[in-house]
Amino acid sequence: NAGVMQNPRHLVRRRGQEARLRCSPMKGHSHVYWYRQLPEEGLKFMVYLQKENIIDESGMPKERFSAEFPKEGPSILRIQQVVRGDSAAYFCASSPPGLAGGFHEQYFGPGTRLTVT
Amino acid sequence: AQTVTQSQPEMSVQEAETVTLSCTYDTSESDYYLFWYKQPPSRQMILVIRQEAYKQQNATENRFSVNFQKAAKSFSLKISDSQLGDAAMYFCAYIPRNTGNQFYFGTGTSLTVIP
Repeated sequence: NAGVMQNPRHLVRRRGQEARLRCSPMKGHSHVYWYRQLPEEGLKFMVYLQKENIIDESGMPKERFSAEFPKEGPSILRIQQVVRGDSAAYFCASSPPGLAGGFHEQYFGPGTRLTVT
Repeated sequence: AQTVTQSQPEMSVQEAETVTLSCTYDTSESDYYLFWYKQPPSRQMILVIRQEAYKQQNATENRFSVNFQKAAKSFSLKISDSQLGDAAMYFCAYIPRNTGNQFYFGTGTSLTVIP
């Protein structure tokens, strides 16, 4: 069973461009979480999605950031008009379906390192 | 507010010796999970050990063990017989059981193992 896949592993964008980060959850997992790790910091929660639904986006910046998890295909984290402060490692985690609410074990992907020049 | 604090930005240990990494957390929840993750230079997040708050017994995984003090909201990681491969960033993390949508991570401790 392959783990959580993220691509690309490294992404370089110029200021003002768009960045698209992809996350394929583990087989059988229907919950996806995105975290951001700024330099010298721990991971910070951004958004929690289930198929076709955003469940919790309390950690998402209000502008330029969006996330989706379509019925088919990977979850996408999209950052429009990137700025230098967006440079960070972005991690995706996935968890299996279970009871509504409550804790689900999260399995982390290898991360995408975004550099904005 | 739910916060996780790691007060040791850097630690070092001699190979084969024992080192303890500190973590404290703040929460009003009574039921939750605590974790230690290892992040080597590859940046992959690797689960080291997990503790369930309702269990009084401290978790152990081979050379890794925790000292969980629920009343003090303290969760330290002890690494015994340190090996060169243990060198990494270590993150303490917390997630509430009943509303467990997101992990709360500390800022990490960078562990150096001296040969």
